[in-house]
Amino acid sequence: RKEVEQDPGPFNVPEGATVAFNCTYSNSASQSFFWYRQDCRKEPKLLMSVYSSGNEDGRFTAQLNRASQYISLLIRDSKLSDSATYLCAVNSRGATNKLIFGTGTLLAVQP
Amino acid sequence: DAGITQSPRYKITETGRQVTLMCHQTWSHSYMFWYRQDLGHGLRLIYYSAAADITDKGEVPDGYVVSRSKTENFPLTLESATRSQTSVYFCASRTSGNTGELFFGEGSRLTVL
Repeated sequence: RKEVEQDPGPFNVPEGATVAFNCTYSNSASQSFFWYRQDCRKEPKLLMSVYSSGNEDGRFTAQLNRASQYISLLIRDSKLSDSATYLCAVNSRGATNKLIFGTGTLLAVQP
Repeated sequence: DAGITQSPRYKITETGRQVTLMCHQTWSHSYMFWYRQDLGHGLRLIYYSAAADITDKGEVPDGYVVSRSKTENFPLTLESATRSQTSVYFCASRTSGNTGELFFGEGSRLTVL
């Protein structure tokens, strides 16, 4: 089983839609959680960290569920410019140097 | 002041050849990383380095060698390239304090024939 798993998608949604991605992790010692965004043929860039209490950044909301070992990303009012691959990443306690990525979820926002 | 740069950006080589991918960062970040990205596998950590002369294996280190004689450089060498090493390679760096925000280079696209 992979340490971090995501639905690869693609998620095809119309502009203005709300879309949610989940990411599951297998290591219960995982300590820190992040969402990255990767545009086609570009490098990944940090979108937001995920805090235990949940956090919001504009149209983006990230949540952590430690009991079920998953993190989520909610995008409200989708824009064409949100089209990208969204990667979750996890650090483990005792191995904080190793940021492990999921395979990514492809989002395509349609006009 | 590009931050983190990789070279070459594109490389075609043949099976059995030695290939070195270069990574240079100008931020004096302590940590540097090499990932490979393949369809269906996402980003997988090959090697990382916490400081000059300190390196450690990641998830998929076999077939790769790294060195870090200077803080700013972290070359990745494929000693005898195989077709399975055809991939996009990303170098990344971060400060010692922030474990989550990696700054990635633009990637090196390697094809092994």
